[in-house]
Amino acid sequence: RKEVEQDPGPFNVPEGATVAFNCTYSNSASQSFFWYRQDCRKEPKLLMSVYSSGNEDGRFTAQLNRASQYISLLIRDSKLSDSATYLCVVTPPRNAGNMLTFGGGTRLMVKP
Amino acid sequence: NAGVTQTPKFQVLKTGQSMTLQCAQDMNHNSMYWYRQDPGMGLRLIYYSASEGTTDKGEVPNGYNVSRLNKREFSLRLESAAPSQTSVYFCASSEAPLRRRGSYEQYFGPGTRLTVT
Repeated sequence: RKEVEQDPGPFNVPEGATVAFNCTYSNSASQSFFWYRQDCRKEPKLLMSVYSSGNEDGRFTAQLNRASQYISLLIRDSKLSDSATYLCVVTPPRNAGNMLTFGGGTRLMVKP
Repeated sequence: NAGVTQTPKFQVLKTGQSMTLQCAQDMNHNSMYWYRQDPGMGLRLIYYSASEGTTDKGEVPNGYNVSRLNKREFSLRLESAAPSQTSVYFCASSEAPLRRRGSYEQYFGPGTRLTVT
């Protein structure tokens, strides 16, 4: 089983739609969680951190469910510019090293 | 402020050739990383340098060597390229190693697209 798993998609949605992605992780002691965004043929960039209590940044909401070991990203009122690949990122347990673990990404395509 | 820069942007090698990928950052970050990205595999860490003067293996270090030349620069060397090393290579940097709270954001360079024939 991969350490961090995502549905690769693509998710094809119309402008204005609400779309949600999930990501599951295998190590229950993982410490921190993030969503990165990667545009086609570009480098990944941090979208948002995921906090235990859930957090929101404009149209984007991230949630963490430690009991079921998954994180989610909800995008409301999708824009054409939201088309990208969304990478789920997990950090190891404390004192377990310096590596971020990336999921394979979920591709979102927002259509007019 | 250029952030993280990488050279070259594209490269084609023949099997057995060697080359060095260059990376530099101007954000005074302590930690630097090399990843490869393959379709469906996500980003995988090759090597990292938590601070100037130190380097450590990541998940997929075989076939690669690194040098942390100074605080700004971190190079990745392929001594004898193989077709399995065809990939997109990203360099990244962060303010501090992961153990320090609040320093997790990694800033990535634009990538090097390498093809080994």
